Amino acid sequence: NAGVMQNPRHLVRRRGQEARLRCSPMKGHSHVYWYRQLPEEGLKFMVYLQKENIIDESGMPKERFSAEFPKEGPSILRIQQVVRGDSAAYFCASSPGSSFYEQFFGPGTRLTVL
Amino acid sequence: AQKITQTQPGMFVQEKEAVTLDCTYDTSDQSYGLFWYKQPSSGEMIFLIYQGSYDEQNATEGRYSLNFQKARKSANLVISASQLGDSAMYFCAMINRLQGAQKLVFGQGTRLTINP
Repeated sequence: NAGVMQNPRHLVRRRGQEARLRCSPMKGHSHVYWYRQLPEEGLKFMVYLQKENIIDESGMPKERFSAEFPKEGPSILRIQQVVRGDSAAYFCASSPGSSFYEQFFGPGTRLTVL
Repeated sequence: AQKITQTQPGMFVQEKEAVTLDCTYDTSDQSYGLFWYKQPSSGEMIFLIYQGSYDEQNATEGRYSLNFQKARKSANLVISASQLGDSAMYFCAMINRLQGAQKLVFGQGTRLTINP
């Protein structure tokens, strides 16, 4: 029973490039959450999605960041025109439903912007 | 707004001793949940223990227990008989159980180092 999968595990981009982070939730889970962890800080909520819907994007920066969770395939967090301040660990979590409290975390993607 | 405060940036403990990691929270919600996660140097987030706001008993999971004091709004993690493998970052987190979007709110974390 595979857990939450994220790829790539490490991603290096130069300033101005695009970064695409992928998250495959656990089997049977239809709710996906993205969190960002800056160095030496706790995780900060970014966005909550269900299949084909963004439920809460209150933690997403207003520009350059977008997320989707299509009917088929993984959830994608997309960062356009990356800057050095985007360097962080990005975690995806999934849960079976909004009434289920526990979120299962993936291993994270470490993004480094040169 | 919900807020989690972890006042201990770092702690050093001798192996086999018990350790308490502090967590206080702030919320106006009546129904909420409190979590502790462990993040070793490899980076993954490992779920340790959960306490619901209406749970009458303190949660326990093996060597982990959660000292829940609702009136004081504290949810301290107690690790008994610490081991070298317990060295890691520990995060306290909170969830609102009534809202449809159940985002976790995390504290800043405590770095625990177990000395042999």
